[in-house]
Amino acid sequence: AQTVTQSQPEMSVQEAETVTLSCTYDTSESNYYLFWYKQPPSRQMILVIRQEAYKQQNATENRFSVNFQKAAKSFSLKISDSQLGDTAMYFCAFMKHDNNNDMRFGAGTRLTVKP
Amino acid sequence: EAQVTQNPRYLITVTGKKLTVTCSQNMNHEYMSWYRQDPGLGLRQIYYSMNVEVTDKGDVPEGYKVSRKEKRNFPLILESPSPNQTSLYFCASSLAGNLGASNQPQHFGDGTRLSIL
Repeated sequence: AQTVTQSQPEMSVQEAETVTLSCTYDTSESNYYLFWYKQPPSRQMILVIRQEAYKQQNATENRFSVNFQKAAKSFSLKISDSQLGDTAMYFCAFMKHDNNNDMRFGAGTRLTVKP
Repeated sequence: EAQVTQNPRYLITVTGKKLTVTCSQNMNHEYMSWYRQDPGLGLRQIYYSMNVEVTDKGDVPEGYKVSRKEKRNFPLILESPSPNQTSLYFCASSLAGNLGASNQPQHFGDGTRLSIL
């Protein structure tokens, strides 16, 4: 079974600074997808970024980028130029390529951006 | 507007009193799913449905039932709720097939907070 671990229950960062959230996963699969979701106080689940395991290039979306280390089974999220609106719970998620509907989530990291 | 709608948003009830949380999506999605979110555990899948009349257990199905009689609706049923089912519940939907290939693999509802006393 796949497991996803987020070792940082809480983190904080000053506005405009950069912060990195860590995520590791355990799988014997070679092809899979990884995601970061953001859950603001409104409780919505918002997709932040997606990475396909067979792609070596790290995904980026504006101020959000990932450091995908396949051999180390690590998938960290870097948020540059942090904004107050980035304050939220962040969940890392894993999905096997051949089981498109089985998404596993980590326990989450609560990020607070301080003014 | 494309959305997943859950009702109710909040519910406090007592042990053993049957309840249903409704979920409806207007995107003609084949796939729908229910998750529960608990502190320190993230989101765990309860049940999912690939299409009408097709449902399967997720990681934590005990104590829950679902039905998929129509494509747009996927209600979550607690026949005899217990305090350990106190949680935040999310319904999600997506197009069938490869979730990872879509830029928005799953659309989530706004959540339902259940408290079972």
